[in-house]
Amino acid sequence: SQKIEQNSEALNIQEGKTATLTCNYTNYSPAYLQWYRQDPGRGPVFLLLIRENEKEKRKERLKVTFDTTLKQSLFHITASQPADSATYLCALYTGGFKTIFGAGTRLFVKA
Amino acid sequence: GAVVSQHPSRVICKSGTSVKIECRSLDFQATTMFWYRQFPKQSLMLMATSNEGSKATYEQGVEKDKFLINHASLTLSTLTVTSAHPEDSSFYICSARAESSDTQYFGPGTRLTVL
Repeated sequence: SQKIEQNSEALNIQEGKTATLTCNYTNYSPAYLQWYRQDPGRGPVFLLLIRENEKEKRKERLKVTFDTTLKQSLFHITASQPADSATYLCALYTGGFKTIFGAGTRLFVKA
Repeated sequence: GAVVSQHPSRVICKSGTSVKIECRSLDFQATTMFWYRQFPKQSLMLMATSNEGSKATYEQGVEKDKFLINHASLTLSTLTVTSAHPEDSSFYICSARAESSDTQYFGPGTRLTVL
């Protein structure tokens, strides 16, 4: 079955730097992949969706890449701010309206 | 746009009672709604998928008689935890998807504590 691997260790970076989070999957490449932000005690918030035929997607300070050869997606936040501190979830569409979620990577941005 | 609400945000109940959680899509019609539960520092675990007017499809290991799901309209789904026990304490989150969209939009979640 499809599995998602996100770095379980927290990522600590300095304000103003670029944060890069990794999402690896094990089996077939999904039709699309999504990234969500989740704050403690809250539901996930949708950030970006990238399809298998797209290499890169951008939205303001966010950038997502999708490499079907490496079976990997990278999520970048440029000019990071303390307000970007949260858990970021990678989600893969597996068909039949179903999506599976990674456990997420916690990001801490220090002022 | 794409706002999903959940009510209540927190509920504390006694063991053996039933609890109903509502999930509403406020500005779009949700042809499909999903219910998840999440334990601390763990991933979202899909419990069931429901399409408006149809019976919910439950994931393996989820008791359909314990977690009753109703998706009676294109903007409302309810999850009822029947005869709740302390092990049912968790964070329950719903999400909704419009027919024309690939994206799920999540509600803010409901923290259930069963004493």
